[in-house]
Amino acid sequence: DAGITQSPRHKVTETGTPVTLRCHQTENHRYMYWYRQDPGHGLRLIHYSYGVKDTDKGEVSDGYSVSRSKTEDFLLTLESATSSQTSVYFCAISEYRGMQYFGPGTRLTVL
Amino acid sequence: DQQVKQNSPSLSVQEGRISILNCDYTNSMFDYFLWYKKYPAEGPTFLISISSIKDKNEDGRFTVFLNKSAKHLSLHIVPSQPGDSAVYFCAASTPSGGSNYKLTFGKGTLLTVNP
Repeated sequence: DAGITQSPRHKVTETGTPVTLRCHQTENHRYMYWYRQDPGHGLRLIHYSYGVKDTDKGEVSDGYSVSRSKTEDFLLTLESATSSQTSVYFCAISEYRGMQYFGPGTRLTVL
Repeated sequence: DQQVKQNSPSLSVQEGRISILNCDYTNSMFDYFLWYKKYPAEGPTFLISISSIKDKNEDGRFTVFLNKSAKHLSLHIVPSQPGDSAVYFCAASTPSGGSNYKLTFGKGTLLTVNP
C-alpha cells in the first residue's frame, strides 16, 4: 500500500469554524489531490498540487484553500465551514499519469 | 456537465456469474481510462486500466473493454465473488501536458454479489 495518511480521520465541527485537514505521504510522489465524496456525486476534485507551492483548482474549489510547503504534506483548509461541506474527504497521490493512490479518508461533519 | 457517466447506481448479481459495469464518456480527448474499487470506510483502490490504443485489457477475473466510437467502456468480472461487493468508479484522463494529471470520475456503481 502507498504510504498515505490523513488526519484527523473523523471530525465534528460547527458552522463558521475553520478546519484544516492534513494529507501526509512517504512516497515522494510529485502530485497530490484532494477529493470529496458525496452520495449521488461520486468523487469530485477540490484542489490539486503538481509540486511544492504549485497548486490549482479542481471542479468544486469554492470555500476551500490548500497549501503545500513540503513534498510530503498537502493541507486542505475550510476557512469557515458550512453544512454543505459535510462530506468524506480523500487525499490522493500520483507520480505517473492516471494512476492515483488514495488515502483512507476523513469524515467531516459540520453542524 | 458530467463527462464520465455511470448510469447504473447499483447492480446485483449471483456468486459465480458475470458482473458487467458500464461507463460512458463525452469528452473525446479522454485517452486513458481506469476502474477503481471502493469498500466502505476505505479509500478507493486501483483495479484495472486501459489506454485508448487498445480495446481490451485483462487482469485475472477482471477485463475492461473500450469502444471508442461509442465512447463506452465496461468492466467484466468473471466469476463474481462476494468479496467483489463494493462501489466501482470509472475514471478518465486526457493526455497530460505540463502539470495536468487530473482524473475525472463517474458517480460510481454499487455492486452486490449474493452468495
